[in-house]
Amino acid sequence: NAGVMQNPRHLVRRRGQEARLRCSPMKGHSHVYWYRQLPEEGLKFMVYLQKENIIDESGMPKERFSAEFPKEGPSILRIQQVVRGDSAAYFCASSPRSNRDRALETQYFGPGTRLLVL
Amino acid sequence: GESVGLHLPTLSVQEGDNSIINCAYSNSASDYFIWYKQESGKGPQFIIDIRSNMDKRQGQRVTVLLNKTVKHLSLQIAATQPGDSAVYFCAETLNQAGTALIFGKGTTLSVSS
Repeated sequence: NAGVMQNPRHLVRRRGQEARLRCSPMKGHSHVYWYRQLPEEGLKFMVYLQKENIIDESGMPKERFSAEFPKEGPSILRIQQVVRGDSAAYFCASSPRSNRDRALETQYFGPGTRLLVL
Repeated sequence: GESVGLHLPTLSVQEGDNSIINCAYSNSASDYFIWYKQESGKGPQFIIDIRSNMDKRQGQRVTVLLNKTVKHLSLQIAATQPGDSAVYFCAETLNQAGTALIFGKGTTLSVSS
C-alpha cells in the first residue's frame, strides 16, 4: 500500500517562473492538505482540499498561490511568478476522514517537494 | 518556580537513555494531538496520538502525556536508539470540522552511541 506520493522531489525555478507541485494521496484517502516548511521551522498549514472542493485556504498567500484536487488525478499546488522567498519544502498530507472518530483523521505525510528559487 | 513544559530546541542523549521531549500547545480548544518524527530530507512520520479526554497513552517505546491544565504535551522515548535521531514535532488540531494541524516548534534529538 503506497503512501502519500509527491513529485517532483526537488524543483529549481528562476524568479518569475511557475512551479507545479503534485500530490497523490494514500489509497482510500479523499482529503488532502498542503503545508510549507521554511528552513529550521515547523510546518505551516496552507490549504485543505477534498475532491473538486477547497475546504479551507486560510493559510494560502492571497496572490500567486493556488491549489486544486480534481476528480481524477493528483492534487496540484501551483505557484505563479515565484520569488526567492517561496524557496521551502512543501509537504502534502492525506487523511481518510471519518465522522465517527476524529483519531481516524490522522494525517499522513508525503516526502515533500523541495523548491529552490534562484 | 519550575517552568513546566520548557521547550528545548535540541536534546542530546546517550544510547539507552530515556528521552523526554516537551511541547506547549497554543489553543485550549484543541482536542487531538499528534507527535511526528522528521528525519533529514523526509516528511513527518506519525509516531503516536492522543485525544483530549486522555492524559496518557503508550505505544512501543513511546509514551505521550497530556496536561490540559497547562497546555503541555510530552513525548517520552524509552531506551533511545541512534535511529531515533531526528526532529520531533507536536501538532494540535482545532475543535472544528476540516481541521488543519498546527505544529509546535521542533526539537532536534541527537543520540550518541
